[in-house]
Amino acid sequence: EIVMTQSPATLSVSPGERATLSCRASQSASTDVAWYQQKPGQTPRLLIYGAFTRATGIPARFSGSGSGTEFTLTISSLQSEDFVVYYCQQYNKWPRTFGQGTKVEIK
Amino acid sequence: QVQLVQSGAEVKKPGASVTVSCKASGYNFNLYGVSWVRQAPGQGLEWMAWISAYTGNTNYAQRFQDRVIMTIDTSTSTASMELRSLRSDDTAVYYCTRDNVKGMDVWGQGTTVTVSS
Repeated sequence: EIVMTQSPATLSVSPGERATLSCRASQSASTDVAWYQQKPGQTPRLLIYGAFTRATGIPARFSGSGSGTEFTLTISSLQSEDFVVYYCQQYNKWPRTFGQGTKVEIK
Repeated sequence: QVQLVQSGAEVKKPGASVTVSCKASGYNFNLYGVSWVRQAPGQGLEWMAWISAYTGNTNYAQRFQDRVIMTIDTSTSTASMELRSLRSDDTAVYYCTRDNVKGMDVWGQGTTVTVSS
């Protein structure tokens, strides 16, 4: 299976600054990678699919990039509601697999 | 609106089985697959299995292959997932998701399953 490894586990950033989250696949996932946001006590929400396409209703400050084995989620200017947990996930091969998550916290 | 509504919380004893249902509305159920994802307390997301609502084809994470049974009822736009031989480490929130080639774009509200003697 494709193992998705996210780094860092915790990212400390000041409000208004840029956050860069990384996700590495153990083998090529092409661009079949999605990113999800999960707020405490809430259901995960799809942010990005196809490595770089924003899902419906997702603000432009969220952007995705990468292909193959290296992927990045960038939040250009962190708002208070963005300090939560983010997961990457590949759907190129079965089984689907998630990364372990990155928590973005206030610096 | 497009939504998935799951069945309510369950408390089960070790060794028992649990079935979680997931009723879709607001879209053509037959055109999408359904993935099941779980999240143990304080942990990350774990993908369990997928079923096509159109063909009934399935895919499983290896660790669940022998314990998960999924069904589709197209007449009621409902997907169900049975997890057998429950253990304490199966305690988790279970989500159904609409899963197509654009990621998992719709999630159910989650069903808490507690396994305790």
